[in-house]
Amino acid sequence: DVKVTQSSRYLVKRTGEKVFLECVQDMDHENMFWYRQDPGLGLRLIYFSYDVKMKEKGDIPEGYSVSREKKERFSLILESASTNQTSMYLCASGVSDGPNEKLFFGSGTQLSVL
Amino acid sequence: AQSVAQPEDQVNVAEGNPLTVKCTYSVSGNPYLFWYVQYPNRGLQFLLKYITGDNLVKGSYGFEAEFNKSQTSFHLKKPSALVSDSALYFCAVGPTGGGNKLTFGTGTQLKVEL
Repeated sequence: DVKVTQSSRYLVKRTGEKVFLECVQDMDHENMFWYRQDPGLGLRLIYFSYDVKMKEKGDIPEGYSVSREKKERFSLILESASTNQTSMYLCASGVSDGPNEKLFFGSGTQLSVL
Repeated sequence: AQSVAQPEDQVNVAEGNPLTVKCTYSVSGNPYLFWYVQYPNRGLQFLLKYITGDNLVKGSYGFEAEFNKSQTSFHLKKPSALVSDSALYFCAVGPTGGGNKLTFGTGTQLKVEL
């Protein structure tokens, strides 16, 4: 089975801290994504990457950056955490392959910024 | 820009009764449409997708979805609901021509009661 692993299930940080959320997938997928999930707002795309060292902004990139140095790992960085970044963060990976096209999600990281 | 709408925040249904979770979409060109399910404290899991072909798509756990181009809808259905189907369901649309960059709806909480 495809596995997408997010390094932390729960994380508590202070305002102004730099926060790293790590995601690793084991299926050699080209595409990786970071979403945040908020009640009533669904999932919103923060950043995505279609290849190593490549990144593109999603719908809500402000306050975030990403890093993809290796194909299997996609990191989300909160440069200076703020309380409005308290949320569930979901990482996903997949391939653009017509019939096989779908996303595989990690279990999520619930981040609280105090 | 592509978008999906899930008009119901919550759907309640008795076990054994048919269920429908509604989704409408807006996209220029032919849509790629998906349904995902999220169980408590888990990431999203793929249920089914429509790319082209038959308007009735069959997926995992006995779910199916009906694509209706004239009504721009992609409703999720199941003939007989189970208590274990209780979860959060997300409709999503992908870019015309493929690719994993999905836009998700706000989600519908399905509650199946005995």
